[in-house]
Amino acid sequence: SAVISQKPSRDICQRGTSLTIQCQVDSQVTMMFWYRQQPGQSLTLIATANQGSEATYESGFVIDKFPISRPNLTFSTLTVSNMSPEDSSIYLCSVGVGGANEKLFFGSGTQLSVL
Amino acid sequence: SQQGEEDPQALSIQEGENATMNCSYKTSINNLQWYRQNSGRGLVHLILIRSNEREKHSGRLRVTLDTSKKSSSLLITASRAADTASYFCATDAQGAQKLVFGQGTRLTINP
Repeated sequence: SAVISQKPSRDICQRGTSLTIQCQVDSQVTMMFWYRQQPGQSLTLIATANQGSEATYESGFVIDKFPISRPNLTFSTLTVSNMSPEDSSIYLCSVGVGGANEKLFFGSGTQLSVL
Repeated sequence: SQQGEEDPQALSIQEGENATMNCSYKTSINNLQWYRQNSGRGLVHLILIRSNEREKHSGRLRVTLDTSKKSSSLLITASRAADTASYFCATDAQGAQKLVFGQGTRLTINP
């Protein structure tokens, strides 16, 4: 299992500003995943963050909008840049565990509201 | 694109009753998982069933998988108020470690 500390838990931000979300894992993991959950919707994978390499972004998500850092095997950040109200969502980090990293453990989420 | 379609979208039952949620998917999978989310917070892994398994139990949870119909069901027996949450199925259709989540079922247990 893995315990993930994610912060902030929530924030209210002004349009045009940026917010950086942090996730700290209690063990070393190769891959970390960042998801977005829009209001009343399911989770959508934003990107996969590997330590020591550039993050891999899913279709519809770009590095300029969602830059990710992965400085070591226990920590990652996701920045939501130049925010607009459409960015209001819950953002979740997760890590895979198990032989093939099959099961995901999630942070508690960051509820972002953009005014 | 979403892989899983869940049904019903919302379910409200009395405490003590059983709750059944269904998930359908479109492409071949190696495994299917169910997660619970309380009040828009982080998801909690409940159970994983592999493509060569038909049924799996964990406590009050029973999961079935029918690969011929590309569908799965999650049964929660003897429901409790604490089971109130959203439940999501997730598949590895895009490869291991890249789970695709269904739309979820919002379950409400009434005392």
